[in-house]
Amino acid sequence: DGGITQSPKYLFRKEGQNVTLSCEQNLNHDAMYWYRQDPGQGLRLIYYSQIVNDFQKGDIAEGYSVSREKKESFPLTVTSAQKNPTAFYLCASSTSSTEAFFGQGTRLTVV
Amino acid sequence: QKEVEQNSGPLSVPEGAIASLNCTYSDRGSQSFFWYRQYSGKSPELIMSIYSNGDKEDGRFTAQLNKASQYVSLLIRDSQPSDSATYLCAVNTDGTSYGKLTFGQGTILTVHP
Repeated sequence: DGGITQSPKYLFRKEGQNVTLSCEQNLNHDAMYWYRQDPGQGLRLIYYSQIVNDFQKGDIAEGYSVSREKKESFPLTVTSAQKNPTAFYLCASSTSSTEAFFGQGTRLTVV
Repeated sequence: QKEVEQNSGPLSVPEGAIASLNCTYSDRGSQSFFWYRQYSGKSPELIMSIYSNGDKEDGRFTAQLNKASQYVSLLIRDSQPSDSATYLCAVNTDGTSYGKLTFGQGTILTVHP
């Protein structure tokens, strides 16, 4: 079944801890994206990657890092520098000629 | 700052009525426009895309684009309770990366029986 898989579905982070969110796709899409959604808000772009081994900052990249070592995978690390990380994180993928489709999301909570 | 604004909600319509959702955008270079539906606690689901001026129909959904007015809308005919969700307008100015989107804040739609 083709699609985008995010894991885990729920994640709890302690203060000062780094955590990594997983995003895997088997759609053979070149581009992948990470968005953040806060309650009652639209989505904001964190990072995106159009090809392997290359990625660009989005609108709110501070406190986050990514890697793109494989076409299928685009993990997001939320570092301790991100002061307000509690949010719903969404991964998406697309080609240069198709719309973006989203994974099921990871809900991160700071405890 | 690229901005996308949606009509403030929530919007409540009776079952069978037409729901009208509106969106304006600030960047005249915007090329592609999308409507996503998001149920509570779930991820966004693409329901319509539109790239040129005019109307685009898909079943009960019609998207309308007016680039001169920087305005895009979504009409839902014969609204059903299952249409109750948050509708997100998204705009792409990149042209080469369709997933690089600026989103509006969303409009909550409630369809009551």
